[in-house]
Amino acid sequence: SYVLTQPPSVSVAPGRTASITCGGSNIGSKGVHWYQQKPGQAPVLVVSYDSDRPSGIPERFSGSNSGDTATLTISSVDAGDEADYYCQVWNHGTDHYVFGPGTKVTVL
Amino acid sequence: QLEQSGAEVKKPGASVKVSCKASGYTFTSVGISWVRQAPGQGLEWMGWISTYTGNTNYPQRLQGRVTLTTDTSTSTAFMELRSLQSDDTAVYYCARSELPDAFDFWGQGTMVTVSA
Repeated sequence: SYVLTQPPSVSVAPGRTASITCGGSNIGSKGVHWYQQKPGQAPVLVVSYDSDRPSGIPERFSGSNSGDTATLTISSVDAGDEADYYCQVWNHGTDHYVFGPGTKVTVL
Repeated sequence: QLEQSGAEVKKPGASVKVSCKASGYTFTSVGISWVRQAPGQGLEWMGWISTYTGNTNYPQRLQGRVTLTTDTSTSTAFMELRSLQSDDTAVYYCARSELPDAFDFWGQGTMVTVSA
């Protein structure tokens, strides 16, 4: 089965940039989706297909994907960005969705 | 846009059926995925159903224990999980999705607790 890896945690000072990675074999050939989940809430889609932002998501959220690593970048981080972030792909080999284990972003 | 049924408490070995009522869009225009999250854990995809054809797609791990259905007359999707065990205790979410697209809207979640 296809496995995604994420760092368990990322810490960032307010106003700085947070980068959250999602690793997988040749993930650059897949479309990666990213979700933000705050405590007690349902996940929210923040980036789809590597770098597309849904309506209502700030431009501060951006994504990239190449080789074996996809990255979600949050610029000018503020306290409201504290959350767990999950990457997701569709694995064509098994025709199933796969989620990464999640990364907790802490704003210092 | 996706309103889920209320919390459930079940005994081991029982079954649970969670509903997800859609509003604000044409129900049959986009499928529904189900995702669960055990306490303090990550997201696990449980399967997908086409609201148009009824076709389903389940991960191997849950195949045979989970059944997804829909009632187009009420724009409602259902997830039934059988032979519940304690490790099925989780929040269960429905979400709009078409394979292989992202999940653009999610229900609020339904807590299912399995306890003797």
